[in-house]
Amino acid sequence: GEKVEQHESTLSVREGDSAVINCTYTDTASSYFPWYKQEAGKSLHFVIDIRSNVDRKQSQRLIVLLDKKAKRFSLHITATQPEDSAIYFCAASGGSNAKLTFGKGTKLSVKS
Amino acid sequence: DMKVTQMPRYLIKRMGENVLLECGQDMSHETMYWYRQDPGLGLQLIYISYDVDSNSEGDIPKGYRVSRKKREHFSLILDSAKTNQTSVYFCASSSSGTGGALEQYFGPGTRLTVL
Repeated sequence: GEKVEQHESTLSVREGDSAVINCTYTDTASSYFPWYKQEAGKSLHFVIDIRSNVDRKQSQRLIVLLDKKAKRFSLHITATQPEDSAIYFCAASGGSNAKLTFGKGTKLSVKS
Repeated sequence: DMKVTQMPRYLIKRMGENVLLECGQDMSHETMYWYRQDPGLGLQLIYISYDVDSNSEGDIPKGYRVSRKKREHFSLILDSAKTNQTSVYFCASSSSGTGGALEQYFGPGTRLTVL
């Protein structure tokens, strides 16, 4: 089955800098790649996703890049703010079964 | 108001007792999920339900079973709980689309401790 590896377990940046979180996946059939954010002690909520028919998607300060050849996707958070501090999970899904395979999470700390 | 609810939020049980975790959603989503989250392991899918009485095993179904008799409710049952089932359990729901997976909405989680 699909395996998703999230390369950075922790990441620390200064406020205003950019943060990049990288993930790789194994199943070439995967076509949907969402990102979720989990603030301390809270549940997860969706932040952005990308499908395999595009290689870049932006929503305000969030940019997702997808490299299908390398089976790699990344989340870029520009102009980071303290409220961006959280655990970010990448995930991948292929086919029509609606199952997501999650990475283990990256704890992002934005220091002011 | 789009919402996924979970009850109870905290639960302490003794090994061998039965556990019932309940999840509800008000979005008429067809698909619902149960995950567990353990430190350093991310989220692991226990079961997925595509609609009433249409359930499928996830990656770690052993020791768990589910029930979905109404579209808005999805229950996770642990028969004879074990200490290694201590975890935080999340329920999620999503609409179903012809293109496969869609955004999932997560509940607040249930922290289960099995002593």
